[in-house]
Amino acid sequence: NAGVTQTPKFQVLKTGQSMTLQCAQDMNHEYMSWYRQDPGMGLRLIHYSVGAGITDQGEVPNGYNVSRSTTEDFPLRLLSAAPSQTSVYFCASSYAGPNTGELFFGEGSRLTVL
Amino acid sequence: GNSVTQMEGPVTLSEEAFLTINCTYTATGYPSLFWYVQYPGEGLQLLLKATKADDKGSNKGFEATYRKETTSFHLEKGSVQVSDSAVYFCALPRGNEKLTFGTGTRLTIIP
Repeated sequence: NAGVTQTPKFQVLKTGQSMTLQCAQDMNHEYMSWYRQDPGMGLRLIHYSVGAGITDQGEVPNGYNVSRSTTEDFPLRLLSAAPSQTSVYFCASSYAGPNTGELFFGEGSRLTVL
Repeated sequence: GNSVTQMEGPVTLSEEAFLTINCTYTATGYPSLFWYVQYPGEGLQLLLKATKADDKGSNKGFEATYRKETTSFHLEKGSVQVSDSAVYFCALPRGNEKLTFGTGTRLTIIP
């Protein structure tokens, strides 16, 4: 099983450029989310979705957009990259929701903004 | 809102040593509590969980007991191995749709 697949694994951007981090899951999970991981700060929730057509903001949504047109895919868009967005990004999905069910994580996408 | 405070790292131990990683929480009610582990170069994966007070979660030799008296969920293992080297995260739900994580504790086991 593929599980949660993230692409690309590595990306370097210049300030002001835009890009999309892709996330796909093949487990038919309704819940999907994006986190960023920074040293000393753990994981912080950017956006999440409880089903196709539904998205909501997490703790640190500024500078990021998401959409959920299908159950399988949950892309994260950086509209105008800034050095503060240099981070490792993780997509995660869950069948029952994170309060009771297991979150399944992708392997991460390391983004550097120069 | 719900939050966790996790033991600062890094932690370095010799193989077969006893491990404790502290986690305390602040929460409304008694939500489920989780430990996630991140091995080098990988995403996080669920290690264990406890769904109510006094429950003990266990997996791969690791244990954690949900203690409401001390609002703690400390992770323990009796004899660690080199393969346990990873970053460990305590986590609890915030509402029905969000999971909040601690800052993570990096564990290194020396042969």
